[in-house]
Amino acid sequence: DAGITQSPRYKITETGRQVTLMCHQTWSHSYMFWYRQDLGHGLRLIYYSAAADITDKGEVPDGYVVSRSKTENFPLTLESATRSQTSVYFCASGSSVGLQETQYFGPGTRLLVL
Amino acid sequence: AQSVTQPDIHITVSEGASLELRCNYSYGATPYLFWYVQSPGQGLQLLLKYFSGDTLVQGIKGFEAEFKRSQSSFNLRKPSVHWSDAAENFCAVKGNTPLVFGKGTRLSVIA
Repeated sequence: DAGITQSPRYKITETGRQVTLMCHQTWSHSYMFWYRQDLGHGLRLIYYSAAADITDKGEVPDGYVVSRSKTENFPLTLESATRSQTSVYFCASGSSVGLQETQYFGPGTRLLVL
Repeated sequence: AQSVTQPDIHITVSEGASLELRCNYSYGATPYLFWYVQSPGQGLQLLLKYFSGDTLVQGIKGFEAEFKRSQSSFNLRKPSVHWSDAAENFCAVKGNTPLVFGKGTRLSVIA
């Protein structure tokens, strides 16, 4: 009954390093999403996926890469981290009904890029 | 594409008093509308949603919201606020693209 989990919960890295944030859901939801939350901006969509091997860009995709080889996992990679990518990252999933269905959120990953 | 505005960044309410958080959206057709709540250090939890039908929707924790097409609004209300309601609240709208969130309204509750 884990639902949706994210790891790590906290991460400190340095500029230029590659970082991967993990997201795992146990509901077999088709849709998965990555958001970043920044003060004054609310939540902004980075990437989303409608199914395994199908991904689409959101509002702020630059500097990020995603993959979805399995339905339950949706990792987010920062290929070369920058200070502007310091943020709280939330993963979410939604059922196969479609994008209009409720999204369920993970607890978030706090990332600090030095 | 759709957009959403939450005019109030921060609202302070006395415990036991009523609450209304404002949300205005922009979309050419009837959108899907959501309110999410985020407690400190936590992820987001769905409070309520509107897809169609009755324009007054009930949610968890005693919250309700009313969809007013003429005003492009989906305001969140609660008749009597509890100290545990202190949180960040987000309105979100879904049109023909994925969910778009407002910037949030922080709710503080004082004794």
